[in-house]
Amino acid sequence: QLVESGGGLVQPGGSLRLTCAVSGFKVRNNYMNWVRQAPGKGLEWVSVIYSDGRTEYLDSVKGRFTISRDTVKNTFYLQMNSLRPEDTAVYFCASWVVADDAFDIWGQGTLVTVSS
Amino acid sequence: IQLTQSPSFLSASVGDKVTITCRASQGIRNYLAWYQQKPGKAPKLLIYGASTLQSGVPSRYSGSGSGTEFILTINTLQPEDFTTYYCQQFDSYPLTFGGGTKVEIK
Repeated sequence: QLVESGGGLVQPGGSLRLTCAVSGFKVRNNYMNWVRQAPGKGLEWVSVIYSDGRTEYLDSVKGRFTISRDTVKNTFYLQMNSLRPEDTAVYFCASWVVADDAFDIWGQGTLVTVSS
Repeated sequence: IQLTQSPSFLSASVGDKVTITCRASQGIRNYLAWYQQKPGKAPKLLIYGASTLQSGVPSRYSGSGSGTEFILTINTLQPEDFTTYYCQQFDSYPLTFGGGTKVEIK
């Protein structure tokens, strides 16, 4: 099970940290992702942290967003800085089944609104 | 890699068979998954590896294709199937999704 938290209203240029608490499996053994969905729009992959700690990002968030994990708390995070109105979306965390190449477990989503 | 789903909207009736196409801008072998998303909910995995049915998903769902063209087929539409479907590629970064297909009741 994945449970997100940390969403909310933030002004442009502000920061927010999203948290995804994981139960039932270990974050250190899986590829953990963030996916977002702007209001009324489609899905957009944002970032992944591999089991070995390496990371990948969508170009539009590189240098602004940082994905990380805490293997003791079995939790992973998305630190979002320099937020823009176009970052407004529901952010989902998702687990990547590497052997199957699919996101098999998703959180319920947390809404991030960037507005003045 | 850009994924283009067609149609964007589809009207059908309970009991119909429908097909949704996902075309990739370059070959992605069979690294494609299909998801169903209901309003206000997280996506649900239906198909991975282009054609493998996820455990627990009804057998009326099937996937086919390889390379650049993929198809999701839903046989005998049920009331709970009227919602939005997305494809996703895992061939290369950034991972991308198709624009979605909304299946509506005729």
